[in-house]
Amino acid sequence: GQNIDQPTEMTATEGAIVQINCTYQTSGFNGLFWYQQHAGEAPTFLSYNVLDGLEEKGRFSSFLSRSKGYSYLLLKELQMKDSASYLCAILDSNYQLIWGAGTKLIIKP
Amino acid sequence: IAGITQAPTSQILAAGRRMTLRCTQDMRHNAMYWYRQDLGLGLRLIHYSNTAGTTGKGEVPDGYSVSRANTDDFPLTLASAVPSQTSVYFCASASGSTDTQYFGPGTRLTVL
Repeated sequence: GQNIDQPTEMTATEGAIVQINCTYQTSGFNGLFWYQQHAGEAPTFLSYNVLDGLEEKGRFSSFLSRSKGYSYLLLKELQMKDSASYLCAILDSNYQLIWGAGTKLIIKP
Repeated sequence: IAGITQAPTSQILAAGRRMTLRCTQDMRHNAMYWYRQDLGLGLRLIHYSNTAGTTGKGEVPDGYSVSRANTDDFPLTLASAVPSQTSVYFCASASGSTDTQYFGPGTRLTVL
């Protein structure tokens, strides 16, 4: 079967660093996406990894290990506006996105 | 129009009624998708279209139908709504089936 696991909720402090993990078991792998979703809004694209390693984009970085079925999203210098859900999704062998349930990140001052 | 739009924003519907959710994009994207999002669950794919004139079934297609008569529009129809179809529905589009998907603002549907 297909399975993507993320923590349900995390709490962090403004200005700090937080790492959101995603582990997966899917039928095939054609890439991993991270999306951000604020409450009541649509998901918005953050990052894409298809090769092992770290992709850095400003305050956000995403890491992938295909052999371990593991990714993480690293958020630095947290701001209150980073309070949102973070969704991990795998592009499977049928080129369809399989989504995790998302991690709700709460930022405290 | 800029990007991808959906209508209506929200709707309350009596069970058994027919309903069409509209989705339009102006990015000339080939691929379009319909998802539903329920609390505690990941987005689930209902139907998709890799190019105008073709459609395919996703993970949860029962009770829904789609058409793709042209590149821009991808309506989703509930032939006879049931309460379990209460959800937030997102339409998305991508340049191709392997590319980043961009989402519309969503339609919140309540079936009573």
